[in-house]
Amino acid sequence: GQNIDQPTEMTATEGAIVQINCTYQTSGFNGLFWYQQHAGEAPTFLSYNVLDGLEEKGRFSSFLSRSKGYSYLLLKELQMKDSASYLCAVSPNDYKLSFGAGTTVTVRA
Amino acid sequence: DADVTQTPRNRITKTGKRIMLECSQTKGHDRMYWYRQDPGLGLRLIYYSFDVKDINKGEISDGYSVSRQAQAKFSLSLESAIPNQTALYFCATSDSLTGGEGYTFGSGTRLTVV
Repeated sequence: GQNIDQPTEMTATEGAIVQINCTYQTSGFNGLFWYQQHAGEAPTFLSYNVLDGLEEKGRFSSFLSRSKGYSYLLLKELQMKDSASYLCAVSPNDYKLSFGAGTTVTVRA
Repeated sequence: DADVTQTPRNRITKTGKRIMLECSQTKGHDRMYWYRQDPGLGLRLIYYSFDVKDINKGEISDGYSVSRQAQAKFSLSLESAIPNQTALYFCATSDSLTGGEGYTFGSGTRLTVV
């Protein structure tokens, strides 16, 4: 089976930086995805990592270390609209994704 | 129009009733998936299909069945609904999962079994 762990909740102040960690143990590795999900809505794609290192996309960055089974999503210059759940998902093969339980981020004024 | 459309958006049904959730897509993707989402458990895979003649069980398929009526349509049925099937259900589609954006999700169906 697949095991993907991420913290349940995080709180941060508007304008600050938050780092959401994700550790995984999977039967194979074909890439790691991060999705954002606002309450009651569909998840939307944020980032994809398949090689070690940092991928930067505007205020959001994602890091991967395959040898450590570890990724993080970094959210900079937090805005109120960033309050959402962030889902870490691993593709153990090319066929399907396995998801962590999600991290709920609350941004306070 | 949305790329992946789920109907209904919300449904309340009684224990023992049969219910069908429908999903259609205009992405042209061959792969379609059904997940359920429960608080604290994340998204769990129920069934997936790579073409009309291909159906595969996910990790929690008991109590569910699916039909891939066409490349663009994939429906999920609960033959005899029970209260612990109360959840938010998502349909998703994808192309290859190597690179790209992974899944495109529908807006979800909130199902309540009373």
